[in-house]
Parts: sequence; structure tokens; C-alpha cells
Amino acid sequence: AQTVTQSQPEMSVQEAETVTLSCTYDTSESNYYLFWYKQPPSRQMILVIRQEAYKQQNATENRFSVNFQKAAKSFSLKISDSQLGDTAMYFCAFMNPVSSNYQLIWGAGTKLIIKP
Amino acid sequence: KAGVTQTPRYLIKTRGQQVTLSCSPISGHRSVSWYQQTPGQGLQFLFEYFSETQRNKGNFPGRFSGRQFSNSRSEMNVSTLELGDSALYLCASSFGQGGLSGELFFGEGSRLTVL
Repeated sequence: AQTVTQSQPEMSVQEAETVTLSCTYDTSESNYYLFWYKQPPSRQMILVIRQEAYKQQNATENRFSVNFQKAAKSFSLKISDSQLGDTAMYFCAFMNPVSSNYQLIWGAGTKLIIKP
Repeated sequence: KAGVTQTPRYLIKTRGQQVTLSCSPISGHRSVSWYQQTPGQGLQFLFEYFSETQRNKGNFPGRFSGRQFSNSRSEMNVSTLELGDSALYLCASSFGQGGLSGELFFGEGSRLTVL
């Protein structure tokens, strides 16, 4: 069965710093999708970034980028020039249409606090 | 375009009662998934409905049930409430099953407190 592990329950950094959130996963599949979702306090969860496993190039969305290491089954999220609005729970998730039947397998989350 | 709407946002029930939560997906979305979120257990998948059919089900007891209507709106019901059912219940919609490529659109959740 696929599993997703986020080893950092909580992190805090100063505003404008760069922070990296870790995520590892376990699967025997070769084609799959990986995601980072963000859940701000008392607000809805939103997709931050998505990576398709067959793409070697790391996905980037403005200040958010990933380091996708397929062989190591690692998918970390880097937030550059962090802002107060980045304070949120961040969830890493995995999906394979066949083995997980389109269901997202979620990590436990990392609480990120950006300090002014 | 309106987002995913969940009602009620907050509710308090007592043990033994039942509760029904509602979710209106984004217009055009045919898939609705439900999750239970607690501090201790994180995000737990309850079930997914696509075109009025339950396509996936998580590992929850039969007290948890759901349905989807022809307009894609979905409801979930929890009967015989237990203290451990206190949680934030999240609904997520997507165009295809599981979002096909995985992008889900979440509502703000219904926070249930069981006393």
C-alpha cells in the first residue's frame, strides 16, 4: 500500500526566509501524481503545486517549487521569500489512478508558521 | 464561479443523535469526496461519489453514509454520534473522479462537536 510521510510536524521561519518542507512516499508504481496542498487557519484547503512523476522537470509556481527525487521517493516543497500569508498546514499527497483508484493518499501535514 | 459550499459550518450535537451535512460542488463538477479531519488522525477519506454512485469508500463504520443527487450535490450522514466523531468534515469536488489528475477543490468544512 502507498504511504506518504511528512517527518516535520511543525516548522517556523522568519518572514522573507526560504523554507523547505519534506515529504517521502512509498509506491511500486512508476506513473503517479504528487501534490502539495495548503490549509490556512480557518480557511479552505487549496492546491499549491502538482508534479507528474513522468516529468523530470521540477514543478514551479511563483515562490513555490518542488524538488522531486523519483528514485529516492522524495518530494519536498520549497517556499522562497516566505510571507505571513504562507502560515498554514501543508499536506503532501500521492495519487495513482490505478493502485489508489484516483484517491489521494495524504501525509500527516506540517504546520508552518511564518514569523514577522 | 462559486466555490464548494458546505452547510452547516458549525454544529453541536449530543451522543446518540444523528447529523446530516451538505455539500454543493462547483458547477460542472461531478465528483464529491468527503474527508474527516482531526488533530490526531489528520485527513481521513470517507467516501467519494461520482455521478450519483459511490466509487470509493474509506475505512469508516456503517454509521457514516452518504449520497449524491442528480445535480451533484452531496450529503453525508452520521448516525448514533459518538464523542470521537467530533471533527472538521471537509467536502471536495472535482470534474472527474478523484479529479483525474488529482486537483480537488475544497469547501471550508463543517465543524461538528459531539457532547
